[in-house]
Amino acid sequence: AQRVTQPEKLLSVFKGAPVELKCNYSYSGSPELFWYVQYSRQRLQLLLRHISRESIKGFTADLNKGETSFHLKKPFAQEEDSAMYYCALSTYNNNDMRFGAGTRLTVKP
Amino acid sequence: DAGVTQSPTHLIKTRGQHVTLRCSPISGHKSVSWYQQVLGQGPQFIFQYYEKEERGRGNFPDRFSARQFPNYSSELNVNALLLGDSALYLCASSTGLAADEQFFGPGTRLTVL
Repeated sequence: AQRVTQPEKLLSVFKGAPVELKCNYSYSGSPELFWYVQYSRQRLQLLLRHISRESIKGFTADLNKGETSFHLKKPFAQEEDSAMYYCALSTYNNNDMRFGAGTRLTVKP
Repeated sequence: DAGVTQSPTHLIKTRGQHVTLRCSPISGHKSVSWYQQVLGQGPQFIFQYYEKEERGRGNFPDRFSARQFPNYSSELNVNALLLGDSALYLCASSTGLAADEQFFGPGTRLTVL
């Protein structure tokens, strides 16, 4: 069965520091992986997906199939990055999307 | 476009009652997915509908059902409500199937007393 694990519920860093939000998954096939973000009082929205290989708002994420991970990274965190971040996995076989429990990132001034 | 809209915003029901939640997708989107989000957890997939057909179902009891209308709007129905059904119910629309980008609505907060 598909499963997404985000080991950190809370993560706090100072402005300008690097940040890494961890995501591990279990799925035997080829997954589609996403990072969704929810800023305060806003809707859940897509941040990035692995197939696009884009850098959005300075964030990147690399799919590591060997370690079954899809960690989200940013070299220099900004206060506006404070939000709830969810890693999600989907497959075309099952037509569902599995979310992790989320990590609340706080960037302190 | 106002994006995905959901109604009602909040709802209070008692155990054993039935509830219907509604969702209107972004214009042009043919897929609607429903999620349940309990406090402190990520969204849990309930259903996906595409072109008015159920294309995916999560691990939820038969008390949960849904349908999609010809205009692609959708309803989620929950029968015989339990206290544990209290949650934020999110609707998301997309152009295709579940692996496409999901655009989320604001959610309906259901409280079961």
